[in-house]
Amino acid sequence: TQLLEQSPQFLSIQEGENLTVYCNSSSVFSSLQWYRQEPGEGPVLLVTVVTGGEVKKLKRLTFQFGDARKDSSLHITAAQPGDTGLYLCAGLTNSGYALNFGKGTSLLVTP
Amino acid sequence: SQTIHQWPATLVQPVGSPLSLECTVEGTSNPNLYWYRQAAGRGLQLLFYSVGIGQISSEVPQNLSASRPQDRQFILSSKKLLLSDSGFYLCAWKLWAFGAMNTEAFFGQGTRLTVV
Repeated sequence: TQLLEQSPQFLSIQEGENLTVYCNSSSVFSSLQWYRQEPGEGPVLLVTVVTGGEVKKLKRLTFQFGDARKDSSLHITAAQPGDTGLYLCAGLTNSGYALNFGKGTSLLVTP
Repeated sequence: SQTIHQWPATLVQPVGSPLSLECTVEGTSNPNLYWYRQAAGRGLQLLFYSVGIGQISSEVPQNLSASRPQDRQFILSSKKLLLSDSGFYLCAWKLWAFGAMNTEAFFGQGTRLTVV
């Protein structure tokens, strides 16, 4: 099983602060995806990273895929209360069919 | 446009009762279909996935089963529910093709199951 470890599990910060969350594995992934989930909803895709070393930006969110394609990070600049949610990373299993998720980082941004 | 329907939204069932959760997808063909379970505020555990009609892959041995009687219908079942089956169940679909595997997974709204 290709495990994805996410850290930290919980993060509570004030509006305007910066933060970074991590997704690590001992396995190599062809790609990693980041999803955000709000309570009572299904996860929604934020980004897919494919190339080792790749950096993608989505407004105040910056995603990076590790050079060895075993890890990824999500950095949020000047966090806002609307960023509150559960951030999940996901990668395809060796079969290429199934999508495995990490346990997520629960982010709370207070005004 | 593609949509995914999952029902019911909430369900309270006694221990030992059967379960049937249904998921249907519209607007696409030959999707890969998935059932996940999520503990409160935590990550998604992959339960089953299907790459075609009648084809089911189980990721975790458990008290549950899945079936795919039609291309865009995915059913999660149990003959006798356990307390430990409580959780948030999510159905998802994803297109897959050789050379185009990194597609987005689209999720339903989920079913909150409480076994009492």
